[in-house]
Amino acid sequence: ELKVEQNPLFLSMQEGKNYTIYCNYSTTSDRLYWYRQDPGKSLESLFVLLSNGAVKQEGRLMASLDTKARLSTLHITAAVHDLSATYFCAVDFAAGNNRKLIWGLGTSLAVNP
Amino acid sequence: DAGITQSPRHKVTETGTPVTLRCHQTENHRYMYWYRQDPGHGLRLIHYSYGVKDTDKGEVSDGYSVSRSKTEDFLLTLESATSSQTSVYFCATGTGPGGNEQFFGPGTRLTVL
Repeated sequence: ELKVEQNPLFLSMQEGKNYTIYCNYSTTSDRLYWYRQDPGKSLESLFVLLSNGAVKQEGRLMASLDTKARLSTLHITAAVHDLSATYFCAVDFAAGNNRKLIWGLGTSLAVNP
Repeated sequence: DAGITQSPRHKVTETGTPVTLRCHQTENHRYMYWYRQDPGHGLRLIHYSYGVKDTDKGEVSDGYSVSRSKTEDFLLTLESATSSQTSVYFCATGTGPGGNEQFFGPGTRLTVL
């Protein structure tokens, strides 16, 4: 079964702290995407990870991909309130001639002063 | 100008009525998708299109139909709306098959009474 699991699903953290969100997936893939969704808004693409060992950074967020472990991490450094949002990972799965994105349930992040 | 628009943005309707949601893109992307987003379920794919007049079912297609008569427009129809179809509906587009990066519209909040 194709599964993408994120943890934690809910995260409350203080400003200035560091934390990591994990995205595990159940079968082979070498493409993974991270999206951000603000409350009541659409999904915005954050990172595109296209190979084993890929690392992308934007501001206080850094994403990495380990295809052997079937794991991606989204690391938050020195969190600020503006990072409060829900973060989704989505994994590309190929089945025969078809490809599809399988989505995690999202991690709801609240950064508190 | 926004590359992907959805209309209407909000709709309240009654059980048993047909409803059509429209997605319009100016990106000239070949692939288009309809998702629904519900608490605890993340994003679930309803239908997708891989070209004009070419569509296929996603994981939650029962009670929904789609049409794509031109590249820019992808319509989602709820043939006879039910309360279980109360949700937020997102349209997305992509340049490649389903496992590629997808770009999202602003969403439509549908309430079925």
